[in-house]
Amino acid sequence: SYELTQPPSVSVSPGQTASFTCSGDKLGDRYACWYQQKPGQSPVLVIYQDTKRPSGIPERFSGSNSGNTATLTISGTQAMDEADYYCQAWDSSTAVFGGGTKLTVL
Amino acid sequence: QVQLQQSGPGLVKPSQTLSLTCAISGDSVSSNSAAWNWIRQSPSRGLEWLGRTYYRSKWYNEYAVSVKSRITINPDTSKNQFSLQLNSVTPEDTALYYCARDLYDNMSPYFDHWGQGTLVTVSS
Repeated sequence: SYELTQPPSVSVSPGQTASFTCSGDKLGDRYACWYQQKPGQSPVLVIYQDTKRPSGIPERFSGSNSGNTATLTISGTQAMDEADYYCQAWDSSTAVFGGGTKLTVL
Repeated sequence: QVQLQQSGPGLVKPSQTLSLTCAISGDSVSSNSAAWNWIRQSPSRGLEWLGRTYYRSKWYNEYAVSVKSRITINPDTSKNQFSLQLNSVTPEDTALYYCARDLYDNMSPYFDHWGQGTLVTVSS
């Protein structure tokens, strides 16, 4: 079965850039999505089809996907961005999620 | 504005059937560009996609291999909702269950709306 791997944690200071990686075999041949989940809340879509931002998602969120790695970047990270971030892709007709990365804004 | 409202019991006995419903507002369960999913989350398994139902001139269902023998997802067009049934549950099925819409635009689907989540505990 297809697997997506994410580092468990990332820490940044306010105003810095936070980068999240998601690794999977030939992930660049698929589309990647990213979801933000704050404690006690449902996940929220922040990036879809590698690079697209849904309406209402700040411009500081951006995405890329190439080779075996998809990347979510938050530029000018704010305290409100502290959350878990999950990548997701499709393997045939099955949705696959990464294990998630916890962002701490120091 | 699409909203998904989940309902169902939070406690199920081992070997029994877990049943949840997701009521849709702002879209149709029969939409030709959406699919209706169940996803669960637990500390041990993370986010786990369980399956989906969708309409493309006829109804289709797709299920995760891990639960394929135990799961049924059904649309209810009269109430504009869809349901999850998971049979023969064990404590390993204890999780926070979400319904979610995935939207397809000729590229790749993505989960753009989620329900509020239902914590289901499997215990006697």
